[in-house]
Amino acid sequence: DVKVTQSSRYLVKRTGEKVFLECVQDMDHENMFWYRQDPGLGLRLIYFSYDVKMKEKGDIPEGYSVSREKKERFSLILESASTNQTSMYLCASSTRTSGQETQYFGPGTRLLVL
Amino acid sequence: AQSVTQPDIHITVSEGASLELRCNYSYGATPYLFWYVQSPGQGLQLLLKYFSGDTLVQGIKGFEAEFKRSQSSFNLRKPSVHWSDAAEYFCAVVPGGGYQKVTFGIGTKLQVIP
Repeated sequence: DVKVTQSSRYLVKRTGEKVFLECVQDMDHENMFWYRQDPGLGLRLIYFSYDVKMKEKGDIPEGYSVSREKKERFSLILESASTNQTSMYLCASSTRTSGQETQYFGPGTRLLVL
Repeated sequence: AQSVTQPDIHITVSEGASLELRCNYSYGATPYLFWYVQSPGQGLQLLLKYFSGDTLVQGIKGFEAEFKRSQSSFNLRKPSVHWSDAAEYFCAVVPGGGYQKVTFGIGTKLQVIP
């Protein structure tokens, strides 16, 4: 069965902390994505990756960075957390790459920055 | 730029009643179209998708969607709603013609009353 896991369901951090959100998929997918989900705004793409060590900016990359050292793992990094980064973060993966692929989502990490 | 509009933020239906969730897209060519569902505390799961061919698409959990090119719409329907269908529903669009990122609508939250 297809599985995308995220390291934490809930996370509370302080302003200025460095935050790591981890995502692991077991489907050997080439593509991985990080979204944030906010009420009234839907899902917005932060970063995505086509392959190991490859990354592309999405719509809202400011304040975030990513790392993909292994095919199955895609990390989102908040270099210095701010209160406006309080949100639900969703990781997804898909095969490559005609646009028709289903994206498989993890359960999400709800981050609160105080 | 492509856009996806879900005009209804909240919808309430009675259990057993029919359901239609609206989705309109703005793009010149026929894009790839998707409906995802997010149950409380979960990630998103694909309900159905349309690329070409028959404009009426069947999905999981008894859902279907109809692509209408003239109206730039891809509305989701279910003839009889069950209490377990209470969730948030997202329409998503990919322009097509090779990989391009997915654009999600803001979501429609469905409440089912007994």
